Amino acid sequence: DVKVTQSSRYLVKRTGEKVFLECVQDMDHENMFWYRQDPGLGLRLIYFSYDVKMKEKGDIPEGYSVSREKKERFSLILESASTNQTSMYLCASRPSRGIWPGYEQYFGPGTRLTVT
Amino acid sequence: QKEVEQNSGPLSVPEGAIASLNCTYSDRGSQSFFWYRQYSGKSPELIMFIYSNGDKEDGRFTAQLNKASQYVSLLIRDSQPSDSATYLCTLIGNTGNQFYFGTGTSLTVIP
Repeated sequence: DVKVTQSSRYLVKRTGEKVFLECVQDMDHENMFWYRQDPGLGLRLIYFSYDVKMKEKGDIPEGYSVSREKKERFSLILESASTNQTSMYLCASRPSRGIWPGYEQYFGPGTRLTVT
Repeated sequence: QKEVEQNSGPLSVPEGAIASLNCTYSDRGSQSFFWYRQYSGKSPELIMFIYSNGDKEDGRFTAQLNKASQYVSLLIRDSQPSDSATYLCTLIGNTGNQFYFGTGTSLTVIP
């Protein structure tokens, strides 16, 4: 089974802190994604990566950056956390471009981040 | 216009009834469609995948796709309280790589 893990289930940080969210997948997937999920807004794509050291902005990249130094690990960085970044953060991975069964996104358990 | 539109609900059905969840999409080039189930506080999990017009059945779940009408639905037969969750309609766009998620429909099955 595909396993996607995230470094923390719950995290509380103060405004202005630098925050690192880590995601690791064990299935040698090329593509990895970071989303945030807020009530009424659904899943919104922050950044994604097609391969090591490659990154693409999603729909809401402002205030975030990412790092992918190894294929299995994709990190989301909040350079200076703000209260409006309080949210559920979900990491996902999938094999490279494809539309067939098995090419769906596999999600990690999520990190609920609270910024006070 | 959003890529994927879902009625946010909440949708309530009695136990044993059929729950019908609906979704429309805007890009005619969309190729594959997924239904994810998400329990409160948990991450989404895939329950159905469909890419051809018609019906696809898996146990109590049936996915229906009509590409001409740009419409995809999920039917849950013999609904159980454990089916209470938010259901996300998702598709892969015509590039074969971009995923689009609906905002989800909240379903409550009343015992």
